[in-house]
Amino acid sequence: DQQVKQNSPSLSVQEGRISILNCDYTNSMFDYFLWYKKYPAEGPTFLISISSIKDKNEDGRFTVFLNKSAKHLSLHIVPSQPGDSAVYFCAASAKINGGATNKLIFGTGTLLAVQP
Amino acid sequence: KAGVTQTPRYLIKTRGQQVTLSCSPISGHRSVSWYQQTPGQGLQFLFEYFSETQRNKGNFPGRFSGRQFSNSRSEMNVSTLELGDSALYLCASSYGQGRETQYFGPGTRLLVL
Repeated sequence: DQQVKQNSPSLSVQEGRISILNCDYTNSMFDYFLWYKKYPAEGPTFLISISSIKDKNEDGRFTVFLNKSAKHLSLHIVPSQPGDSAVYFCAASAKINGGATNKLIFGTGTLLAVQP
Repeated sequence: KAGVTQTPRYLIKTRGQQVTLSCSPISGHRSVSWYQQTPGQGLQFLFEYFSETQRNKGNFPGRFSGRQFSNSRSEMNVSTLELGDSALYLCASSYGQGRETQYFGPGTRLLVL
């Protein structure tokens, strides 16, 4: 079963506008969430993360929002640039036996295309 | 600092064969994780190693195995290959064993015929 879902396989936005990528999860044990970006023929690159004790984390043009009650997170990119065109993966992590782990559960990704 | 390297980058095997993939983490990193990426399933967790010990294992059959060496390099092995094992295999390294930034390698593209 897919514990982390990205229901939009693709998204197209104009340069300079806001890109909003969405992610839903089902496992209430997840307490740490991340976004990765992936270009073709490269491995995923870490973008931003958020702990479940927060509802927002910001890093430059990237902001992640977490709504725990809805089990939903989103990534906002403002302003969007053509170089942001890539596949974006949402990922989640839960503690195992009370300890943090590097095990990540990924969504299936959203292809973002930023049009010049 | 050199990034995560994976060898080989591309591999073609036939059903029933076995394959070994290698991952060299960033210098100083002691944690290595492996993921399988397929078009239908996305990235799925295979294993996590820290200081030569397997800490976590994903929901894959026993044909998938791995190990980590004292220099933190890691290998994964897939025996009795099936067509469905065709995928991009990604390795990620981090300094510690939890909640630290994981850096991914470019992956090994395996095609099983």
